[in-house]
Amino acid sequence: EVQLVESGGGLVQPGGSLRLSCAASGFTFSSYWMHWVRQAPGKGLVWVSRINNDGSSTTYADSVKGRFTISRDNAKNKNTLYLHMNSLRAEDTAVYYCARDRTKFCSGGNCYSGYAFDLWGQGTMVTVSS
Amino acid sequence: QSALTQPASVSGSPGQSITISCTGTSSDVSDYNYVSWYQQHPGKAPKLVIYEVSNRPSGVSNRFSGSKSGNTASLTISGLQAEDEADYYCSSYTRSSTSRVFGGGTKLTVL
Repeated sequence: EVQLVESGGGLVQPGGSLRLSCAASGFTFSSYWMHWVRQAPGKGLVWVSRINNDGSSTTYADSVKGRFTISRDNAKNKNTLYLHMNSLRAEDTAVYYCARDRTKFCSGGNCYSGYAFDLWGQGTMVTVSS
Repeated sequence: QSALTQPASVSGSPGQSITISCTGTSSDVSDYNYVSWYQQHPGKAPKLVIYEVSNRPSGVSNRFSGSKSGNTASLTISGLQAEDEADYYCSSYTRSSTSRVFGGGTKLTVL
């Protein structure tokens, strides 16, 4: 089955750290760019970060730049996306979704974004509170 | 990073058609055909319903259609059904450093 399953959320104090994971299955993980998108309680979707298919390029929203790090493990027995979150603030409280980017095409090991999120995980809740 | 602008809510009766707008700028909607739309039911993950302005993924009902004019993209749902009641979000590529942006979301109520 094609799916994404997030884990690692929980309650953390302001200033603390957390690592989210997103396990991918049912598709060739190494051929897709991946993203993290968050949604604060009762609010809309906000894009957080993205990583290209081989992990060589990353981008972040201004609100998390310097505090969050996106990474991935494309090994066959891992196929996992990560989000390392440091210096957490109350405003980081949200459901965090991993999302697959719709691949436009691949050439010579490089895959190119289709600029749409075509597969989503169920989300993991992060609460930052003392 | 400013979000794309959507109406907070729209409503329609079963069988009717509704349209949700998504207004951006020359940095995103206007200059790129990379607008996508997502449906989100309460407590659920979002689901892609339109990509590249007007393309439907496999399995999405043909009652969903998308278009774009200038800096405004639109999602139209025809033949409204009770199951269409959900939040809808637009998204676009943006040439700003962040590369992706969402709209604030629109709550669709089926009367």
